[in-house]
Formats: sequence, C-alpha cells, structure tokens
Amino acid sequence: DAGITQSPRHKVTETGTPVTLRCHQTENHRYMYWYRQDPGHGLRLIHYSYGVKDTDKGEVSDGYSVSRSKTEDFLLTLESATSSQTSVYFCAISGSTSGAQGSPLHFGNGTRLTVT
Amino acid sequence: AQSVSQHNHHVILSEAASLELGCNYSYGGTVNLFWYVQYPGQHLQLLLKYFSGDPLVKGIKGFEAEFIKSKFSFNLRKPSVQWSDTAEYFCAGGTTYKYIFGTGTRLKVLA
Repeated sequence: DAGITQSPRHKVTETGTPVTLRCHQTENHRYMYWYRQDPGHGLRLIHYSYGVKDTDKGEVSDGYSVSRSKTEDFLLTLESATSSQTSVYFCAISGSTSGAQGSPLHFGNGTRLTVT
Repeated sequence: AQSVSQHNHHVILSEAASLELGCNYSYGGTVNLFWYVQYPGQHLQLLLKYFSGDPLVKGIKGFEAEFIKSKFSFNLRKPSVQWSDTAEYFCAGGTTYKYIFGTGTRLKVLA
C-alpha cells in the first residue's frame, strides 16, 4: 500500500466548531486530493493540490479549505462544521516524483467524521 | 460538464455467474479511466486503469474492462465471480490529474 496516513481516523465534533484533518504521504507524489464518501453519492472531490501552495476546488468545496505547505502534508479544514459534513473523508495521492500525468490515485484509510 | 455515471447501483449474482458493470463518461479529448474496488470497511483499491493503447485492459483478480470510445463507455467485466468479490465498485475518469468518480455499484455475490 502507498504510504498515506490520515489522522485522526475517527472524530466526533459539535456543529460550529472548526475541524482539521491531516493527510501525510511518504511517496513524494506531486498531486494530493481530498474526497468525501457518502451513500448514494460515491466519492466527491472536495479540493486537490498539484504542488506546494498550489490548490484548486473540486465538486463540493463550499465550507472547506485546504493548505499544502509541504509536499508530504495536505490539510483539510472545516471552518465551522455542519451536520451535512458528516461523512467519511479520504485522502488520495497521485503521480510520480516527476509529476507524470495520468497516474492512478492511491487512497488512505479514511477519516470518519461525525458532526453532532 | 465532465461526469462519470454508473448505471447499476446494486447487483446480486450467484457464484460463477458472469459480471458486467456499466460506466459511461462525459469528457472531451483524452481521458484516463479507472475502476476501483472497496471491500467493506476498507479504502479504495485500484483494479485496473486505461490511459491509451489497447482498449481491452486487464486488471487484478481476473477483472477486465473495455474502452469503447464511440459509446463513451468503460464497462467492467469478470467471467466468473466469487463470493470474495462482494464489494462496492467505482468507475473514475479524468483528464490529467483531476478525477471524478461515479456513484458506485454494490455487488453481492451469493455463495
């Protein structure tokens, strides 16, 4: 399995509180992604990064922000969590060290977030 | 808009039956296509990928998929399923490094 670590693995938080999820990779891959998985919706792209400090929005970016200050770390922040953000969040990485396009995604084990 | 759609949401088969899961994409130009599998409680794992070349792609665990450009399709097939194939299957596609997933197909294989 690709060297991807997500933390925390589980989190319960209250509506209105900020939450940060962390994704750490040891593969030196250029591209990193945050997806959320919900029944009936599959995986939906929240944000992605194509390099340090280079990020862009995905399909469902409202209410989320990201940061990538180092190649190995990609943080997802919910500024003010809502119940609709209860989900399983997956981090993924892609690409060789040369930044080749067209590489498949490799996923972390996910973070289960519950917003009460 | 770019999209990936999967037609079958739930499929139930008996062991040894043949499997075909549909996937259609909507992209212009060159597209990269993938099938992933997610076993209960686990993360997604890559089954197979298509970037270019031979439209018939073979993956792990006996799965294969055929890229038909004229139909914008990338259907997943397996000649004979096993109980251990019970899982959720996702088709994904994209250009360059931005990938969109279908809503998934839950496969249940009866022993």
